[in-house]
Amino acid sequence: AQKVTQAQTEISVVEKEDVTLDCVYETRDTTYYLFWYKQPPSGELVFLIRRNSFDEQNEISGRYSWNFQKSTSSFNFTITASQVVDSAVYFCALRNSNDYKLSFGAGTTVTVRA
Amino acid sequence: GAGVSQSPRYKVAKRGQDVALRCDPISGHVSLFWYQQALGQGPEFLTYFQNEAQLDKSGLPSDRFFAERPEGSVSTLKIQRTQQEDSAVYLCASSTRQGPSYEQYFGPGTRLTVT
Repeated sequence: AQKVTQAQTEISVVEKEDVTLDCVYETRDTTYYLFWYKQPPSGELVFLIRRNSFDEQNEISGRYSWNFQKSTSSFNFTITASQVVDSAVYFCALRNSNDYKLSFGAGTTVTVRA
Repeated sequence: GAGVSQSPRYKVAKRGQDVALRCDPISGHVSLFWYQQALGQGPEFLTYFQNEAQLDKSGLPSDRFFAERPEGSVSTLKIQRTQQEDSAVYLCASSTRQGPSYEQYFGPGTRLTVT
């Protein structure tokens, strides 16, 4: 079985501040995939990033960056220089290699104030 | 091209009524998923199709829930004798290929309210 925990329920920041979202996961598989999705008020889940368990290299994509640490089973996500349009609920998700379904965390609501 | 579409966007049903929720995946996508999202929670898996075959229905909460994808494209999620605990957003997602590494593209969801 797998589990994803997002301990932060809500985060509120002022525009241009950085925001880091925490994600801790549990799985017995050695090969798995981690995702971050964004859900704006419109309701549609928008794919942001994917990471494979066998590649711990951290990357930056525009204003997004992530920190994947297998030793602590964490997959944290950072938005740099936040903007009001970043206000949404952010979900971390896990998918094992021998499975098709995504297991989501409970989500973190990010509010960016102008 | 067009994304995943779902209809209706909102549905209000009286307890005991049957409802049918429709999902149009991205054209050519082999895999189709249904998820249920309760208020303030993350989506929970319901069922998975590969083309017209339903390969996993382990997440369906009861035998009142039924899903089909007869021609391998459009899918319908049917809930019989709706109960108040069925109130949630039902999300459909599709994926271009098989395999766990491919991201799922989600539709806007159908918000079901059972009164």
